[in-house]
Formats: sequence, structure tokens, C-alpha cells
Amino acid sequence: DAGVIQSPRHEVTEMGQEVTLRCKPISGHDYLFWYRQTMMRGLELLIYFNNNVPIDDSGMPEDRFSAKMPNASFSTLKIQPSEPRDSAVYFCASRRGAQDGYTFGSGTRLTVV
Amino acid sequence: SQKIEQNSEALNIQEGKTATLTCNYTNYSPAYLQWYRQDPGRGPVFLLLIRENEKEKRKERLKVTFDTTLKQSLFHITASQPADSATYLCALAGYSSASKIIFGSGTRLSIRP
Repeated sequence: DAGVIQSPRHEVTEMGQEVTLRCKPISGHDYLFWYRQTMMRGLELLIYFNNNVPIDDSGMPEDRFSAKMPNASFSTLKIQPSEPRDSAVYFCASRRGAQDGYTFGSGTRLTVV
Repeated sequence: SQKIEQNSEALNIQEGKTATLTCNYTNYSPAYLQWYRQDPGRGPVFLLLIRENEKEKRKERLKVTFDTTLKQSLFHITASQPADSATYLCALAGYSSASKIIFGSGTRLSIRP
């Protein structure tokens, strides 16, 4: 298996633009998580899905953020409009069982200027 | 409020010695605790999981202990090597929401030859 695949690897965008981050989880993993990592706040959970259904989105910072999982092999995290404070590394992770370890993707480094 | 604290931002150890990292938590009833390794520019990599009814877990040169009375987990790397240099993250899942884990801020470990 190729692991969790995220794209793009790097994204630089101007303030106010829409940004879409993509994730392909490991086949057979029922859970998918989106995290954001910054030096100041560490790894923060944004939202997670179980069997493609959003379960907990309490970590989504505001209405500018949205996430979807239309099928078991694809998820998107969208920011519209983007702001400089959204600059961070965004990680997608998946896991098979409720207590298994997470497998993380390589992340998307987002810079909003 | 719930809090996860890792003992220090950075730890420097002589090669061959045992490195010990600490993870303390407050206001949690943990179902289980996990440890991850993160290298610069990469996503975290799962190392070990220990459940609240387990005292100790081992994997090769790694050992994790979990003391729910002290509200603390210790992570040991024996016979440390320069290749063990990385940031190590602990993560907790509470009984109220065992499907998601919350990460500590991490400890950066450096092993000098």
C-alpha cells in the first residue's frame, strides 16, 4: 500500500483565495482525520470521519473551513476565503479500528500571503 | 480543561544511554495512550499503544509505562542511537470520545555520538 496520500505537497496562495487540500486514505481504513500543525499550537484535530460520515467537527476553526468525504477513498478540506493565519501544515490520517495507530500522510504545507 | 504536557521541549542524550520522555495529563479519563515519532518535514509515525489497564508495553528498544494514578506515561528508548533523534509525541484518547486522539506538544530528542 502507498500509505495515506495528500496533495498538493506545498500550496502558496493569496489571502482571500479558495484552497482545497486532498487526501486518499489507506484502503480498508474506516476512519479519516484532518489535523493542522503549527509551532504555536502543535497538532490540532480539525474533523474526523467514520465510514465517510463526519463524526466530530468541533475543531474546525470557523465557517471558512469545510471538509467532505464523498467516498471511502477520497476526502477534501476546503478553506474559503483563506487568511494568513491559516498558514500551517495540514495532515490527513487514517486508521482501521477504533484503537489502532494512525497512519499519517506527508502533509500539505499551506502558506497564505 | 483537558491538558497533555510533555516534560520538556528538548532532550539531549549521549549515544548508548537510555532516553526517558514524560507525558502528563490532567482532566482526562483515558481509554488508551499512544506514542508517535515525527521527523522534520514528515507526518507522525505510530510507535506504540498502551491501554489504561496495562502497566507496560515493549517493542524492541522501546518501552512505555502508563500510570493512571499519577496520570503519567513514560517512554524509554534503551541503547539510544543518533538515528533515534526526532520529535516524540504522546496522544490520548478519552473514554468519552475514544475514537479520536489529542496530541501533546512533543519532545525533541537529540542523541549525540
